[in-house]
Parts: sequence; C-alpha cells; structure tokens
Amino acid sequence: NAGVTQTPKFQVLKTGQSMTLQCAQDMNHNSMYWYRQDPGMGLRLIYYSASEGTTDKGEVPNGYNVSRLNKREFSLRLESAAPSQTSVYFCASSERLAGGDEQYFGPGTRLTVT
Amino acid sequence: RKEVEQDPGPFNVPEGATVAFNCTYSNSASQSFFWYRQDCRKEPKLLMSVYSSGNEDGRFTAQLNRASQYISLLIRDSKLSDSATYLCAVASYNTDKLIFGTGTRLQVFP
Repeated sequence: NAGVTQTPKFQVLKTGQSMTLQCAQDMNHNSMYWYRQDPGMGLRLIYYSASEGTTDKGEVPNGYNVSRLNKREFSLRLESAAPSQTSVYFCASSERLAGGDEQYFGPGTRLTVT
Repeated sequence: RKEVEQDPGPFNVPEGATVAFNCTYSNSASQSFFWYRQDCRKEPKLLMSVYSSGNEDGRFTAQLNRASQYISLLIRDSKLSDSATYLCAVASYNTDKLIFGTGTRLQVFP
C-alpha cells in the first residue's frame, strides 16, 4: 500500500517550458488535491477534485490546469512555466472533501523554474 | 486577516519541556480542525484531529476553543524527535476546503 505517490521528485524547467506533475493514490479515495508550498506562505490549494470527473479551482489556479484521469490519478500541468511557479508541489487525497476527513499527502515535487 | 494564523516561531525548548502552540481561525462556521506535523523537506502528516471535547494522544493534547476561535496543541516531555513544523488546518462544511496555517517551527535541543 503506497498511499499517495508523485512523480517526478525534482524538476528544473526553463521559463516557457511545459510539464505535467503526476499523482496517484491507492486508497480508493474520492477527493484529490494539488497544493503548492512556499516559504512563509504555507500550503495553498491550486485545484481539487471532489470526485472522478470533477475539478474545481482553489486559491491559486492561474497558470495551472488539472486532469482527473480516473479515480486514482490526478495530474497538474504547467503550460508555460514562470519563475513564480518555483515551489514544492504536494498532491493529497481524502475519502471525501475537506469537511472532516484527513488528507494524505504525497512526498512532493520540488520544481525550479529558471 | 488570514483565515488561519499561527506564530511561525521557532520555539526552542530543551528536552523534557512542555510547549504549547495556538492557531487562530477567522471563519466561525469552521467545523473540522487538525494538527499536522511536517519534517524538513517532507510531506505533512496528520498528527491528530481536534474534537470539541479535546483529545489526547500520549504526550500530545489538542484543544478547541470555539468562543475565542482557536485551537491549541500541547506537547509534554518534549523529545528531540519532536523537532518539526506543526501545521494547523481548518475546514468548514460550507467551503469544502481545508485551510492550512503557515506552521509553527519547534526545535527541541539536548
């Protein structure tokens, strides 16, 4: 039982390049989330998916797109990376949306945009 | 005002000390409260949920004060291994989102 997995662990991009961050969970959770974490800013929600087939914007969605490929997988895409997107990205999942359920986090992706 | 606020610390305490952190929240409709622990360069992991009646897990005690809109985490008999950042998280059923504080850093020294 791996929990939440993320790939890649590290990535360096040049401004303007694109990439997709992959996330998968094996806990049969309905809800999945993408956060970014920056020093002094805490965890900020980028996008979330309440259930398979639905996605919604979080606090900081600009510059990102997501796909809930199936119940297990939730990917985050940067179409044209900018230095402001340098951050640590965490994927998380929970059985239901935030109201009352623990979220389980993946190990994170450290992204640097030069 | 931020929805969830924490003192960033660091709190530097000797082994064996008792230390307490508070976390204030602004949404009076908040219904769910959690403390997460995050080690350096690792993902957050749930430490404990915070119930209305408070709860205790070994050396850790969490309390909720709805009137003053804060939650607290008390750590007794601090260990070196308690050194980490402690994040509080608050959710309300009408927003469906978990809002995290920026974390309080604890450093326990020998």
